[in-house]
Amino acid sequence: DGGITQSPKYLFRKEGQNVTLSCEQNLNHDAMYWYRQDPGQGLRLIYYSQIVNDFQKGDIAEGYSVSREKKESFPLTVTSAQKNPTAFYLCASSTSWTSGNTIYFGEGSWLTVV
Amino acid sequence: AQSVAQPEDQVNVAEGNPLTVKCTYSVSGNPYLFWYVQYPNRGLQFLLKYITGDNLVKGSYGFEAEFNKSQTSFHLKKPSALVSDSALYFCAVRDDTYGTGANNLFFGTGTRLTVIP
Repeated sequence: DGGITQSPKYLFRKEGQNVTLSCEQNLNHDAMYWYRQDPGQGLRLIYYSQIVNDFQKGDIAEGYSVSREKKESFPLTVTSAQKNPTAFYLCASSTSWTSGNTIYFGEGSWLTVV
Repeated sequence: AQSVAQPEDQVNVAEGNPLTVKCTYSVSGNPYLFWYVQYPNRGLQFLLKYITGDNLVKGSYGFEAEFNKSQTSFHLKKPSALVSDSALYFCAVRDDTYGTGANNLFFGTGTRLTVIP
């Protein structure tokens, strides 16, 4: 089936640890995104990638890093510099970065600091 | 700068009754408007969008939305609610923070719809 696969669904991080969330899409989409969702708030953009080997900071990039070495993959690393990482993380993709294209989402990953 | 408001945090409706989830927006230039639905512990699912053309947009699962330029609104509607429609609904508008041609969205804070059997 075509879609966006995020893993793991649940992840626990200890203080001072870096963790990486995986995102893979088989939709042949050029653009990919990472959003963070907190209760009672809208989604906030962490990073986006318009095309392979390119990525840009979003609204809340501090404490996060990404790579886009393959078209289908856009992993997100939550570093120890992110002071409040507990949240629901959503990966997304669209055909292109051109405005108006529908953004499709994965099933999300829960990250909890323990 | 753009913004989107969902004035109701919670909407309750009886099964079989029509439902409306409200959304108003503010954006410079042409508004590109979207509705998404989120079930518990899941990602967002796309319902419909308005880019241009007919003001009444039909989407997935029997939902529709009406673009009203004078009232800057894009309310989501369904003629007959189902219990399975109970979920969190997000309205979103084109976000031009990263350029007028950029494909990012500014999301509202969501409206929780509960359909009562």
